[in-house]
Amino acid sequence: GAVVSQHPSRVICKSGTSVKIECRSLDFQATTMFWYRQFPKQSLMLMATSNEGSKATYEQGVEKDKFLINHASLTLSTLTVTSAHPEDSSFYICSAISSNEQFFGPGTRLTVL
Amino acid sequence: AQTVTQSQPEMSVQEAETVTLSCTYDTSESDYYLFWYKQPPSRQMILVIRQEAYKQQNATENRFSVNFQKAAKSFSLKISDSQLGDAAMYFCASYSGSRLTFGEGTQLTVNP
Repeated sequence: GAVVSQHPSRVICKSGTSVKIECRSLDFQATTMFWYRQFPKQSLMLMATSNEGSKATYEQGVEKDKFLINHASLTLSTLTVTSAHPEDSSFYICSAISSNEQFFGPGTRLTVL
Repeated sequence: AQTVTQSQPEMSVQEAETVTLSCTYDTSESDYYLFWYKQPPSRQMILVIRQEAYKQQNATENRFSVNFQKAAKSFSLKISDSQLGDAAMYFCASYSGSRLTFGEGTQLTVNP
């Protein structure tokens, strides 16, 4: 199946700093990518849909100015958590569609101190 | 809007036995897909099985099979001959309108 990578796999940052997470489709082009957030022992919650060459579509309750999404190419989407706070600590997962199936990245664990 | 409900937060099964995980869903779309994903401790999401809603035949992938009851909006997963490596969190999901909606998950324990 198709492969999606994420970088970094884990990151620790200080409160108030910004963190960028990259999501890449390695062997296919993805016009649409998705960003999810997962708290411990909970399900994946869709944060936003990232569309190549256009603005991302954010889910209700997700602050677009805090979670900046850029999808500048057909193989790369980035999520930037701006002015991170401890409550932003979570597991962030991206996915991309290929042949009507979503392929998931391995996730990024963000810890904000 | 779509909703997916998994009513079993935890399940356990003896190695080599069979277990069924429940899932119900609701969608206003006529064209949709249903999935079961496995999330082991590594947290990598792994596709277990998929079902196109327009297909009446239940999908099967080796030891994994589904019971798709479209009228009842039910989509259960049966794992036969359970193995220790099957222990994981299992998520049921519905996909339509370019959106994937997950259930709350069922934590499966496999006892040796």
